[in-house]
Amino acid sequence: DAKTTQPPSMDCAEGRAANLPCNHSTISGNEYVYWYRQIHSQGPQYIIHGLKNNETNEMASLIITEDRKSSTLILPHATLRDTAVYYCIVRLNYGQNFVFGPGTRLSVLP
Amino acid sequence: GAGVSQSPSNKVTEKGKDVELRCDPISGHTALYWYRQRLGQGLEFLIYFQGNSAPDKSGLPSDRFSAERTGESVSTLTIQRTQQEDSAVYLCASSHRSLAGGVLTKNIQYFGAGTRLSVL
Repeated sequence: DAKTTQPPSMDCAEGRAANLPCNHSTISGNEYVYWYRQIHSQGPQYIIHGLKNNETNEMASLIITEDRKSSTLILPHATLRDTAVYYCIVRLNYGQNFVFGPGTRLSVLP
Repeated sequence: GAGVSQSPSNKVTEKGKDVELRCDPISGHTALYWYRQRLGQGLEFLIYFQGNSAPDKSGLPSDRFSAERTGESVSTLTIQRTQQEDSAVYLCASSHRSLAGGVLTKNIQYFGAGTRLSVL
């Protein structure tokens, strides 16, 4: 699976949009971009995934650049409960385990 | 239940004892995964089951670690002769593959809350 690079930490004001970047310059054509988050003392939680088109669900939006070398996870109106470590993972859809890097620690501030 | 269930939620044991950790996946999920997460670190893959078979055991750190799955449902991770470095949160995940026109469109892993193992 391709590797990803994320900033180690970010802050965001409550109510504002949180934009979390991820670089995956070695991604191959059939690898998907997945985002998970892990709130303190809980298991990772699936957020969203995509291949090349932008995706949106009830939790977030995923913007993938045209060359697919990077993506951004957008939480449109961050709340204090969104404070967590966010993981960007690229993998084949039929791959087995997820390879979790260190992620981005997002702190939503009141 | 609706999600992946793990038990116990916390386990304290003495060095040298054996422990068993249990995972009940989401009903109908054919794939099951075990991960380990040491304090302040990322997830470390241990083993993967497809049905009751384990095609990928590459992450098991030593022969003290073993896992089995029965009835394509519950899985047990066993650690024999526990050591202090085994202290970690052990996470289980399950997934169901969605196909559309023969193409795998979704393979999302859903995680349990984990078992926090402390070896004294």
